[in-house]
Amino acid sequence: EPEVTQTPSHQVTQMGQEVILRCVPISNHLYFYWYRQILGQKVEFLVSFYNNEISEKSEIFDDQFSVERPDGSNFTLKIRSTRLEDSAMYFCASSTDKNTGELFFGEGSRLTVL
Amino acid sequence: AQTVTQSQPEMSVQEAETVTLSCTYDTSESNYYLFWYKQPPSRQMILVIRQEAYKQQNATENRFSVNFQKAAKSFSLKISDSQLGDTAMYFCAFMKPPYNFNKFYFGSGTKLNVKP
Repeated sequence: EPEVTQTPSHQVTQMGQEVILRCVPISNHLYFYWYRQILGQKVEFLVSFYNNEISEKSEIFDDQFSVERPDGSNFTLKIRSTRLEDSAMYFCASSTDKNTGELFFGEGSRLTVL
Repeated sequence: AQTVTQSQPEMSVQEAETVTLSCTYDTSESNYYLFWYKQPPSRQMILVIRQEAYKQQNATENRFSVNFQKAAKSFSLKISDSQLGDTAMYFCAFMKPPYNFNKFYFGSGTKLNVKP
């Protein structure tokens, strides 16, 4: 069964460093998402992406964040200069449409900023 | 803003028994979707069940059913004949269609432990 895969599973970085989290969505999906969960808090929407552009983003998704689909298979989340508060589990997801709510999630990438 | 509240951080149930997980939400919208997602230990989150607010009939998926009370803004999940594989974190989620690009508002989750 096709799955969304994410790498790395865990990354530790120093504050101020750039981080790229990678995701391989399910191949025939057209919509892509990043969510995150800070330890002890709720899963929060970051951004949705369709047709090579951002469809919607939350207030969390500021100028330090960017997303791209560089090669038609990977979907990446870049944090330009990490902050302590960026420490979280980041979930990638994909879907065939934008409104039914059936997202296929990856297992997550845990980011620890020291 | 939409908020979703799950008041039970953790629950346990014996195998083969029935358990109900609670969820309440707050919204001024009249049309929306509600979901239960399940995340087994070290696995991906997967969709369990979905309810459209305009449908009065409660959604059912095999052993999983919901009790949707729109006026009370309550959306509970009932798991019948619990199985060991139901052990997971369960998240209640809200989405406001249309054209919302699957932007979910999640609850904080309920950790369900099914005991043999």
